[in-house]
Amino acid sequence: EVQLVESGGGLVQSGGSLRLSCAASGFTFRSYWMSWVRQAPGKGLEWVANIKQEGSEKYSVDSIKGRFTISRDNAKNSLYLQMSSLRAEDTAVYYCARARSYPFYYFDSWGQGTLVTVSS
Amino acid sequence: EIVVTQSPGTLSLSPGERATLSCRTSQSVSSSYLAWYQQKPGQAPRVLIYGASIRDTGIPDRFSGSGSGTDFTLTISRLEPEDYAVYYCQHYDNSPQFTFGPGTKVDIK
Repeated sequence: EVQLVESGGGLVQSGGSLRLSCAASGFTFRSYWMSWVRQAPGKGLEWVANIKQEGSEKYSVDSIKGRFTISRDNAKNSLYLQMSSLRAEDTAVYYCARARSYPFYYFDSWGQGTLVTVSS
Repeated sequence: EIVVTQSPGTLSLSPGERATLSCRTSQSVSSSYLAWYQQKPGQAPRVLIYGASIRDTGIPDRFSGSGSGTDFTLTISRLEPEDYAVYYCQHYDNSPQFTFGPGTKVDIK
């Protein structure tokens, strides 16, 4: 069974930093693109970033460029999101998601999410 | 940049009724890049449909997806109590970037 378990969320002041982790199990982690998707309180879903299987390619939404970094450690079956210069608008539940690729592109497994609250 | 819209914002229906949810993209897109998700309060989303019309494993056949070009539809043939939720469509482009629609809430009439 595919399992994705996020951790690392919490309360942080504006301008601060936080590192999210996602522990994956039940599948061959190194074979999949992985992503972070967030959801602000009471709002919709927003894709944040994704990373290729070996970590050689990374892509992200414009609003986090230069502030957040996605990375992975295939030896530890783990995905990370290093967040810095946090803003109030980054407050959200952050989900780790397994991304399917060619020929169909979608997220087929999700973690339970970890809440990040940025106080101003 | 492709914009994804969904309508209606809220759909109020009774159990057993048919639900028709719309997703539109600002430019014509490949059906392979269109997916639908269901999200219940306090839960993570789960994929229902990918490739515009392919049901994911374990998804009941009352859920169906259709459409092409800029117009896509998720249909729930007969609403069950567990189907009341928010539904999102998602598009992928070759940037590569994923974009979600704003969602349609299906609630009990």
